[in-house]
Amino acid sequence: EAEVAQSPRYKITEKSQAVAFWCDPISGHATLYWYRQILGQGPELLVQFQDESVVDDSQLPKDRFSAERLKGVDSTLKIQPAELGDSAMYLCASSFGQGASGYTFGSGTRLTVV
Amino acid sequence: AQSVTQLGSHVSVSEGALVLLRCNYSSSVPPYLFWYVQYPNQGLQLLLKYTSAATLVKGINGFEAEFKKSETSFHLTKPSAHMSDAAEYFCAVRGSGNTPLVFGKGTRLSVIA
Repeated sequence: EAEVAQSPRYKITEKSQAVAFWCDPISGHATLYWYRQILGQGPELLVQFQDESVVDDSQLPKDRFSAERLKGVDSTLKIQPAELGDSAMYLCASSFGQGASGYTFGSGTRLTVV
Repeated sequence: AQSVTQLGSHVSVSEGALVLLRCNYSSSVPPYLFWYVQYPNQGLQLLLKYTSAATLVKGINGFEAEFKKSETSFHLTKPSAHMSDAAEYFCAVRGSGNTPLVFGKGTRLSVIA
């Protein structure tokens, strides 16, 4: 069964350092999402891509976060500088279509900022 | 804007007992509704989804959910809980077009032997 690949699985970084996460969606899935999930809460959308274009990044803290999907395939989410409050699970998901199409999630990257 | 409310952040049931996890949605148009399960330090796995084809939806692992428009609800049930069902469960809603999934805050299910 096709999977969404994410790396690294775990990341510990010091505050003020830069950190990056990588996601490779299921082949053929044009839409890619990055969600942030704080411990004990539901996932919240950070950014949505359609192919290489950003569809929605209204909840992305653009002063420190950036996301790209240059060739419309894999994607990178970067935080610079990291803050203590950024400690969370970062989930990548992809979908084939709209509406009734569900997402396939990766296993996530657990970020701890110390 | 669409949203979902999950009633109860933590539900505890005995092994073999009925599982009932509650979800109410808010949407101005008929939505697409989903239930996902998450095990510790894992991503989310789709349990089932409502797409208007049938109000009673059967999913994986013996779970099912019923869409009730009059109550704006989409509660998740399982007749008999198993220890392996212990996890976090999320209800989510999505509108038409390319709108993203919006998740509830989740309900942690504990199963007691």
